Amino acid sequence: DVKVTQSSRYLVKRTGEKVFLECVQDMDHENMFWYRQDPGLGLRLIYFSYDVKMKEKGDIPEGYSVSREKKERFSLILESASTNQTSMYLCASSLSRDRGRFPSGNTIYFGEGSWLTVV
Amino acid sequence: DAKTTQPTSMDCAEGRAANLPCNHSTISGNEYVYWYRQIHSQGPQYIIHGLKNNETNEMASLIITEDRKSSTLILPHATLRDTAVYYCIVRVPVTGGNQFYFGTGTSLTVIP
Repeated sequence: DVKVTQSSRYLVKRTGEKVFLECVQDMDHENMFWYRQDPGLGLRLIYFSYDVKMKEKGDIPEGYSVSREKKERFSLILESASTNQTSMYLCASSLSRDRGRFPSGNTIYFGEGSWLTVV
Repeated sequence: DAKTTQPTSMDCAEGRAANLPCNHSTISGNEYVYWYRQIHSQGPQYIIHGLKNNETNEMASLIITEDRKSSTLILPHATLRDTAVYYCIVRVPVTGGNQFYFGTGTSLTVIP
């Protein structure tokens, strides 16, 4: 089974702190994603990465950066946390193209989420 | 603009079929429709996906209209454990991979 692991389940940080959210996947997926989830807004894409050292902005990249130095690891960085970044953060991964297991399309796998509170 | 629109909430009686609609009127020919569900405090989990043909697996059925502008997820015999938020998603091919566009989800409550 695919496993996407987020390093921290619950965090409380102070305004202005630098925050690292780490994500590791064990299925050699090329694509990795960071979403945030807020009530009434669903999942919104922050950043995604097609492959190592490659990153693309999603819908809400402001206030965030990412790092993909190794294929299995995708980090989300809040350079200076603010209270409006209090949210649930979800990491995900997927194959970049169809392969034998999913001949009609691949799927995206999620971690369990990281609940960040900025005070 | 949102690629999918879903009702905010629905109720379903236990043991009955739950039919969850989704509109994706701007979908393109190479874009798949996926359904995921999320139980409180967990990450979303895959249910089913399709391109243009109806699909069925052990969890659900997916009915896609002929023009592909809408689809319906069917849970044939809803149980209390099916209470969750259900997301309709469009998968869009992009350079290097795929992007997954989530709607705001339908909160399904299965009533005893």
